[in-house]
Amino acid sequence: DVKVTQSSRYLVKRTGEKVFLECVQDMDHENMFWYRQDPGLGLRLIYFSYDVKMKEKGDIPEGYSVSREKKERFSLILESASTNQTSMYLCASSLPYGTGGSSDTQYFGPGTRLTVL
Amino acid sequence: DAKTTQPNSMESNEEEPVHLPCNHSTISGTDYIHWYRQLPSQGPEYVIHGLTSNVNNRMASLAIAEDRKSSTLILHRATLRDAAVYYCILRDVGNSGYALNFGKGTSLLVTP
Repeated sequence: DVKVTQSSRYLVKRTGEKVFLECVQDMDHENMFWYRQDPGLGLRLIYFSYDVKMKEKGDIPEGYSVSREKKERFSLILESASTNQTSMYLCASSLPYGTGGSSDTQYFGPGTRLTVL
Repeated sequence: DAKTTQPNSMESNEEEPVHLPCNHSTISGTDYIHWYRQLPSQGPEYVIHGLTSNVNNRMASLAIAEDRKSSTLILHRATLRDAAVYYCILRDVGNSGYALNFGKGTSLLVTP
């Protein structure tokens, strides 16, 4: 079974702190994703990586950066946390895109619920 | 991605079959139909996907209408652990962005 793990289930930080959210997958997937999920807004893509050191902005990258130094690990960084970044953060991974069938399946971690005070 | 329409909520009794509908009248010929679910306080979980033919796996069955404008996710015997939000998502990798468009989904309540 694919396993995607996230470093923390719950995290509380203060405004202005630098926050690191870590994600690790064990299936040798090329693609990795960071989403945030908020009530009424659904899941929104923050950043996407299709290879080591490669990244692309998603729909809401402002206030975030990412790092992918190893294939299995994808980090989300909040340079200076703000209260509007309080959210559930979800990491996912998938194979390289192919025909849209099985290769498009994304496997999600359990999520990190971040509260910024 | 083409749009999908699902009921906001459904209720089922435990050990009964559940049919979760999804309408996608603007589906294109290259759109795959994917279903995910999200249990409370967890990340989304892949359930099943298909293109034209009905599909079965250990979790569920997917019935796709002949004209592909609708599909139904079938849970053969609902358990309390199946209580979740179920999302129907269309994916055409050639024309879609990288993100999965989860929409609002159907919240399934399973009662003992």
